[in-house]
Amino acid sequence: EDQVTQSPEALRLQEGESSSLNCSYTVSGLRGLFWYRQDPGKGPEFLFTLYSAGEEKEKERLKATLTKKESFLHITAPKPEDSATYLCASSGGSYIPTFGRGTSLIVHP
Amino acid sequence: ETGVTQTPRHLVMGMTNKKSLKCEQHLGHNAMYWYKQSAKKPLELMFVYNFKEQTENNSVPSRFSPECPNSSHLFLHLHTLQPEDSALYLCASSQETGQVLGEQYFGPGTRLTVT
Repeated sequence: EDQVTQSPEALRLQEGESSSLNCSYTVSGLRGLFWYRQDPGKGPEFLFTLYSAGEEKEKERLKATLTKKESFLHITAPKPEDSATYLCASSGGSYIPTFGRGTSLIVHP
Repeated sequence: ETGVTQTPRHLVMGMTNKKSLKCEQHLGHNAMYWYKQSAKKPLELMFVYNFKEQTENNSVPSRFSPECPNSSHLFLHLHTLQPEDSALYLCASSQETGQVLGEQYFGPGTRLTVT
């Protein structure tokens, strides 16, 4: 059974304080590892897809990396507008995406 | 309208009611999805439609009945629901190539409360 575990469950940062969110996954035949951002009262917003170990993608202050067992979402010098819940999902041989519970990030000014 | 829209945004229904959720995507995608999001739980995929054909039914109870009349519209018909069905129901769409699950674009969701 595919599993995705995200940590920490919640993270509070000061503006400018860089950190990383972790996504550990167990999947048979990884097709893709996805990161989404979800604001309160809204649907998830797609951020990145990673397909193979060693791959990295960047968007503004966010950088996603992938190993054979984990993915990290690095947030460099975060701003209050980066506050959101970040979701990780994996898709493997079953084609059905498995989502983690998410990391709730709050960035204080 | 742009992106993925869902109506209604909020719905309160009794356990004996019948209601429907509507989703429309304006992105030209060929696949649409229904997800359930409950508090403190991961997103759960309910149904997948690819080119209007249902390709996945993730062990969803029969009180939830999907309908996909064309590649832009998706409905979720609800009847005889239980209080534990109260959740945020999200619709999503993507462009599938058959090779890999593509990035999904989500609607704002319908907040459903079953009384």
